[in-house]
Order: sequence, then C-alpha cells, then structure tokens
Amino acid sequence: GQQLNQSPQSMFIQEGEDVSMNCTSSSIFNTWLWYKQDPGEGPVLLIALYKAGELTSNGRLTAQFGITRKDSFLNISASIPSDVGIYFCAGQGYDMRFGAGTRLTVKP
Amino acid sequence: IAGITQAPTSQILAAGRRMTLRCTQDMRHNAMYWYRQDLGLGLRLIHYSNTAGTTGKGEVPDGYSVSRANTDDFPLTLASAVPSQTSVYFCASSDRANTGELFFGEGSRLTVL
Repeated sequence: GQQLNQSPQSMFIQEGEDVSMNCTSSSIFNTWLWYKQDPGEGPVLLIALYKAGELTSNGRLTAQFGITRKDSFLNISASIPSDVGIYFCAGQGYDMRFGAGTRLTVKP
Repeated sequence: IAGITQAPTSQILAAGRRMTLRCTQDMRHNAMYWYRQDLGLGLRLIHYSNTAGTTGKGEVPDGYSVSRANTDDFPLTLASAVPSQTSVYFCASSDRANTGELFFGEGSRLTVL
C-alpha cells in the first residue's frame, strides 16, 4: 500500500530554533500536503505542493515536493510557542494517505 | 462560519451497540471523508464520497458504513461497535475530490467498552 514514513516522531526545541521534518514513501504521489493539528481540534492545511521539485513558503513555513515524487520536507524557521502541535504530511495519489505525525513541543 | 460540524463530540458506547456519527458541512463541497486517528498511526481513511449519491471504501472500511443522501450530510455508522473501534473520528470535506485540500471537523471521540 501507499505508506508514508514521517520523521521525527517528536521534537522538543527551544523557542527561536528552526525545525525540520520529512516524509518518505515507496510510492509516487501527485500532491504532497502538510497539515497541523492543535490539541482537541481537527488538522488544518498549511501548505500544498503540486509539482515535483516545487518549493513553497507560507510565512515561516517552507515545504518542498521531492524530485522523485516520493518525499517531502517541511521547515519551520524561528519557532514560537504557538507552533506547538502535531504536524502531518499527506500524499495524494489514488487516495490520500497521512503520515503518523510529528509532535512538536516548543519551550519558551 | 461553521464549516464542518460533527456530533457527538464524545461518546462512550457498549460493545455491540449501534452508533451513528453525524457530519454536516455548509461549504457546498462535493467530496466528503471519514478518517480515524489512532496514536502512532496518523489518520486513516474509512470511507469517502466524491459527490452526493456515491460512496467508496477507504483504507479501513470494515465495520463501518456511510451514506450520502445530499451534499451537506455524511453520517458514519458502526452497526455493532467493537473495542478496536475506540478512536477519534474526523469528518472532512473538499471542494473537489483528489485535491488533498481537506477541511476537517473538530472530531468525535468514541470509546467502545
């Protein structure tokens, strides 16, 4: 099946640090997406990537669609306390699959 | 602006009981989805509907059924709940199927004892 491997599982960082997380798969996807989930809420779309090699920014967030179409990364620069949450990658192919998530904790 | 409304927010249910989770969207989106979220497994697709009147099976459909009688509503039914169906269930919608750009509800936490 179309399994996504997301890493790291969790991160504990200091406010102001940069963060990087990634997703890999053995399958090719047409679209890569990154979602954030705050406690007690549903995931919210952060960034969507539609072309291999595409690099897209949304404020302090930057994400890239890997050239092979089998991976993507998300960077968060200068983290702030409200960045706390679970970040999910998702790949859209025949259907959409989610990674297991990266739980981010930011210490003030 | 409501977006997607799920009910109930949480429920404790005895095994063997029938349960329907409700989902309503007011965005006139064509596609709707049901996911379950379990620790360490992320979000897994249960069933989907690309448009009113059609439904399809996702990654983990067994033990669940859905219907899509109209654009706005997409209920998920557990005919006879089992403890392994304890999870947080999220309904989502998108303007067009297969874009990946989903809008999620706030979730329904279901505990089956």
